Amino acid sequence: DSGVTQTPKHLITATGQRVTLRCSPRSGDLSVYWYQQSLDQGLQFLIQYYNGEERAKGNILERFSAQQFPDLHSELNLSSLELGDSALYFCASSLRPVSGTGTDTQYFGPGTRLTVL
Amino acid sequence: AQSVTQLGSHVSVSEGALVLLRCNYSSSVPPYLFWYVQYPNQGLQLLLKYTTGATLVKGINGFEAEFKKSETSFHLTKPSAHMSDAAEYFCAVSDPGAGSYQLTFGKGTKLSVIP
Repeated sequence: DSGVTQTPKHLITATGQRVTLRCSPRSGDLSVYWYQQSLDQGLQFLIQYYNGEERAKGNILERFSAQQFPDLHSELNLSSLELGDSALYFCASSLRPVSGTGTDTQYFGPGTRLTVL
Repeated sequence: AQSVTQLGSHVSVSEGALVLLRCNYSSSVPPYLFWYVQYPNQGLQLLLKYTTGATLVKGINGFEAEFKKSETSFHLTKPSAHMSDAAEYFCAVSDPGAGSYQLTFGKGTKLSVIP
């Protein structure tokens, strides 16, 4: 158990809909990362938040957005869903925001499996 | 931009045999390197990581990896495979100077262990 929790575990929805995925980081971790794992694209970094502020952006679609709340949990919002958005979405947390002062291990949650029908 | 190439999407070994999973990276600066393992229906677990210093890194469950800068490689090995090692393995890199620890992953290698 990594200490990172994600809800829900599974989500089935229809095209055009909007969903929210939730992540609670490990106790004390200030950084939250979101990754998407799909069969064709593999594991891709989407976005990172540190202590409530966006820190880095990867291959995140404009239809997707995220935020980190004062209690440090994070939500990933996916809207106007398409069939191709079906994937496993992982949240990871770590203590520090930046490299250069030593590494920072990312601890991954169990993921949310999104199926868009 | 960084990239990671894992040679072989599927690798099969016999129980007790050597495990060798290959990873090559492309980066303009010496990166930090990681190996993660993913068991079915689970998240990713860190096996080991290289940052600086000793190029041979030991991880959990008897795995180790060697950073070879001249070959831009970070291959994962285990002397004797166990049935419980069957899983998918991901090599990843991050850029120490990027301002973020975001990881760039390879496509993964699924390891099967034959009894």
